[in-house]
Amino acid sequence: AQKVTQAQTEISVVEKEDVTLDCVYETRDTTYYLFWYKQPPSGELVFLIRRNSFDEQNEISGRYSWNFQKSTSSFNFTITASQVVDSAVYFCALSTYSSASKIIFGSGTRLSIRP
Amino acid sequence: DSGVTQTPKHLITATGQRVTLRCSPRSGDLSVYWYQQSLDQGLQFLIQYYNGEERAKGNILERFSAQQFPDLHSELNLSSLELGDSALYFCASSAAGGLNTGELFFGEGSRLTVL
Repeated sequence: AQKVTQAQTEISVVEKEDVTLDCVYETRDTTYYLFWYKQPPSGELVFLIRRNSFDEQNEISGRYSWNFQKSTSSFNFTITASQVVDSAVYFCALSTYSSASKIIFGSGTRLSIRP
Repeated sequence: DSGVTQTPKHLITATGQRVTLRCSPRSGDLSVYWYQQSLDQGLQFLIQYYNGEERAKGNILERFSAQQFPDLHSELNLSSLELGDSALYFCASSAAGGLNTGELFFGEGSRLTVL
C-alpha cells in the first residue's frame, strides 16, 4: 500500500526563521514520484516540485529546498528565511507505478509565519 | 492562475439534492482528476479521466459519478446529498494520463455546503 505521512500538523515560527516540513512515504514500488503542493489561505493548490525515485539529488529553488533520502523514505522541505507569505498548508504527495495515476496526498502541515 | 476553471465556486444545497460541478482543464491537457477535500478526510482522490475515458478510480461513492466530454471538460455529479458530502471539490488537469503525469494543475475548487 502507498502512504504519505506528515507528522507535523501545525508549525508556527517567527519570520526569517528557517523551517523544515517533514514527509515520510511508504511504497513497495521502485518507480514513483514525490510532490509538494502549497495551499495558501485562498484555497487553491499550487505545485511546488516533483521528484522521481531515481533522482536523489537535492534541489534548491530560491528560499526553498528539498531533501530526498530513499534510505529513510523521506522527502523533506525546508524554507529558509521564512516570510509571512509562506503561511499556508503544505502537502506532500506520492504517485507510484502500481497506483497508476492516483496521486496520494499526506494530511498536510499548516505553517504559520508570525511577523 | 493554473488555467483550470471550476464552476461554481460556492454551492449551498439541501440534503437529498443533486448537484453538478464543472471543470475545464488547461488548454491541451487530456487528463482530468477530481479530488475531495474535507476536514476529517483530507485530500481524497475520487476519479480520473483521460481523453474521455475513465482511467483510475479512488474513493468515489456510488452516489457520485463523473464524465469527460469530447471537448475535454468534465463534470462531477453528486446525488442524494448528505451532510457529510460538504467539502471542497477540486479538479486538476495534467498533460498525460499515466505515471509520467508530472504535476497536476489544480483549479480553485468548488465549495459545497449541504444543509
